[in-house]
Amino acid sequence: SQTIHQWPATLVQPVGSPLSLECTVEGTSNPNLYWYRQAAGRGLQLLFYSVGIGQISSEVPQNLSASRPQDRQFILSSKKLLLSDSGFYLCAWRGASGTDTQYFGPGTRLTVL
Amino acid sequence: KQEVTQIPAALSVPEGENLVLNCSFTDSAIYNLQWFRQDPGKGLTSLLLIQSSQREQTSGRLNASLDKSSGRSTLYIAASQPGDSATYLCAVRRRDNDMRFGAGTRLTVKP
Repeated sequence: SQTIHQWPATLVQPVGSPLSLECTVEGTSNPNLYWYRQAAGRGLQLLFYSVGIGQISSEVPQNLSASRPQDRQFILSSKKLLLSDSGFYLCAWRGASGTDTQYFGPGTRLTVL
Repeated sequence: KQEVTQIPAALSVPEGENLVLNCSFTDSAIYNLQWFRQDPGKGLTSLLLIQSSQREQTSGRLNASLDKSSGRSTLYIAASQPGDSATYLCAVRRRDNDMRFGAGTRLTVKP
């Protein structure tokens, strides 16, 4: 069966510090991978998606970036965090077919102080 | 642009009641619609996926319907239990990597 992991589970960082969040998927190959942010009281916002190694598409302009160094690894990064980067970050995966179910990881709670 | 709206934003019911959660979307050209459950501080758990060619899907006490032409979906929960308390999110997939979420309905089932 497929499993998706995210770490860390929670993170408190000062403004201006770097960020690295990691997501890995087990039990599937060549998944589509996604990073979402869920801000308090707001819906999920798609940040990045990837259909293959090294292929990253950005949905919104921001100071975040994403990378996919391996087939089942997706990393969200920032060189300098802003207060507005606080939120709940969710990684998700889906099979390559457009009709497949999308599955989410447990999330990372990021607080920028 | 696809907009997804969920009504009501919050709902509180006594245990045992049947209830309906609503989801509406503005663009009927969708691949599928998915209902999720989210517990506080947790990730999303997939409940039901309805393909654009389907009218409904059932899993246990849950039944989701889809009326693509009118841009509506409902999630029916039978015989609600306190353990059903969570936020329920609907999401529609338009093009391949374009999945739009509603803001959710926060459900509380009181014992």
